[in-house]
Formats: sequence, structure tokens, C-alpha cells
Amino acid sequence: AQKITQTQPGMFVQEKEAVTLDCTYDTSDPSYGLFWYKQPSSGEMIFLIYQGSYDQQNATEGRYSLNFQKARKSANLVISASQLGDSAMYFCAMSGSGSARQLTFGSGTQLTVLP
Amino acid sequence: DAGVIQSPRHEVTEMGQEVTLRCKPISGHNSLFWYRQTMMRGLELLIYFNNNVPIDDSGMPEDRFSAKMPNASFSTLKIQPSEPRDSAVYFCASTPTGGADTQYFGPGTRLTVL
Repeated sequence: AQKITQTQPGMFVQEKEAVTLDCTYDTSDPSYGLFWYKQPSSGEMIFLIYQGSYDQQNATEGRYSLNFQKARKSANLVISASQLGDSAMYFCAMSGSGSARQLTFGSGTQLTVLP
Repeated sequence: DAGVIQSPRHEVTEMGQEVTLRCKPISGHNSLFWYRQTMMRGLELLIYFNNNVPIDDSGMPEDRFSAKMPNASFSTLKIQPSEPRDSAVYFCASTPTGGADTQYFGPGTRLTVL
């Protein structure tokens, strides 16, 4: 079974500063994917970034980067130069190998960017 | 390109009524997923299809829930009869063939059962 843990229910960050959202995972699958999604107050789920378990380099997408530490089973999201529009709920998720393509989600972190 | 389309966006119904939620995945995507999001349980997978075939429906709460995918461009999630505890946001997501398993979500249907 797969499990995703997000230990920060809420986080605050000053505008233009960087923030790290924590995510740890547990799985017995040899191959897996790690994802971050953003859910603003409007409710939609927006894909941000993906990291494959065999990827050698940390994934980056614009201001988003994923700090992947395989041995520690962590996949933290780093948002640089925070903007007011980054205020949202952020979910970490993982997929398994083979036919287990469904995502297992963490409980989410509510990020508030302060002006 | 159009994203995943869901309808209706909001549904308010009375207990005991039948509810049908609809989803059109992104063209060319071969896997489709139905999720339910509640405050208490977070995001839960209900069922997913691969090439229109149901692969895993272990997340479907009970026999009141059923899902179909008659073709590659359409899926329905039906609740009959509906109950107040079914109130939630229901998301549909789809995944392209091959490559990473990135799921692209629709806007969701907010269901309220009175």
C-alpha cells in the first residue's frame, strides 16, 4: 500500500520569499511517480510538477522545484519568489508501478502568501 | 486544447433522487479516473478505467454508486438513490497514453444532497 504524509496543515510565507512544503511517502513499489497539485479556492486541481523515482535530477517547472530525496522518501515542493496568487491548498500525490496508475493523495497544506 | 470537461458544475438534489455526473476526458487520453473530495476524507479514488474498461472499482462506496464509460470520450458516475452523506466534490481526471502518469483534472462537480 502507498501512503503520502503532509505534516503541515497550514503555512504562511511573505510575498517574494521562498517556501518549502513537506511531503514524505511510503511505498513498496520499485517504480513510482510523485506529483504536486495546487487547489485554489475556486476548487480546480492544477498539476504543477512531476518527479519519477528513477529520475536523477530534481524536477523544476518555472518557480516550482521538487526536492527529491529518495533515501529519505521525501518529495518537498519549493516555491520561489512567492506571489499572492500562490495562496492555495497544495497536495502531494504518488502513483505506483504497473497497472496501479491511480494517485494516492496526501491531506494537503494550505499556503497563505502575505503581502 | 480543451481540458477535461465535467457537467454539471453544481448539483443540488433531494435525498433519494438519482444523480448522474458526466465527464469528457481530454481527447487521446486512455485512462479516466473518478475521485471524490470531502473535508473529512480528502481525495479518494472511486473508480478508474483504462481503454474504457473498469480496472479498479474498489473505492466505490456501495452499490448505490455505478460508473460507465461507453466510449473513449464519455463517462458517467451515477448515484441512485442519493443520500446526504454523498455530498462532496466529484472530480474526473484523465491520463495520456504512455509516459508519466500525470492526471489532468476537470473542474469538478459540487454535489449537495439535501
